[in-house]
Amino acid sequence: ETTVSQSPTFMSATPGDKVNISCKASQDIDDDMNWYQQKPGKAAIFIIKEATTLVPGIPPRFSGSGYGTDFTLTINNMEPEDAAYYFCLQHDNFPWTFGQGTKLEIK
Amino acid sequence: EVQLVESGGGLVQPGRSLRLSCVTSGFTFEDYALSWFRQTPGKGLEWVGFIRSEAAGGAKEYAASVNGRFTISRDDSKSIAYLQMYSLKSEDSAMYYCSRVERGWYPGYWGPGTRVIVSS
Repeated sequence: ETTVSQSPTFMSATPGDKVNISCKASQDIDDDMNWYQQKPGKAAIFIIKEATTLVPGIPPRFSGSGYGTDFTLTINNMEPEDAAYYFCLQHDNFPWTFGQGTKLEIK
Repeated sequence: EVQLVESGGGLVQPGRSLRLSCVTSGFTFEDYALSWFRQTPGKGLEWVGFIRSEAAGGAKEYAASVNGRFTISRDDSKSIAYLQMYSLKSEDSAMYYCSRVERGWYPGYWGPGTRVIVSS
């Protein structure tokens, strides 16, 4: 089973900030990492697929990078509506496994 | 618009059963695999299982933690997926989510979840 370590678990940012969230896989998973945004009581939203591809309809201030074991979700010029819980998912092998999640708050 | 909505959660005693439903709309249900996940504050998100489309054989896979106790099924005529849970334990208490599995074989669209509490 691939373990995914996500950091930080909590962060606070000011509108306009650049935000980076990291996920590290315990083994090489190529580019099989996705990122999702979740708000309380709402369905999770798929934002980045295959490590770097922005899902259609997602604002371009979101981007993903990485390959192999180290991956990063970046939010450029953070907006207030970006305050949410973010999690990564590796889909290289079963069972699919998740990072612990990051709660991103607005200062 | 693709939508998935879970229902059927609630309070249930240990050892009892519960069936969750995932009602979908906005896409051709029979063409997609569906997956179930659960989330707790302590353990985070966990994959529970999936069911392939009937065209792909309808195969099912489950996480080791639920294998033999949980069963996933689908009704393509109603565009609904089910998660039947037997012999529930306190550690099954969680928010349960269904998702559509995309062509690249990963979850894409999710529902908002339904909460299950296993307690006497």
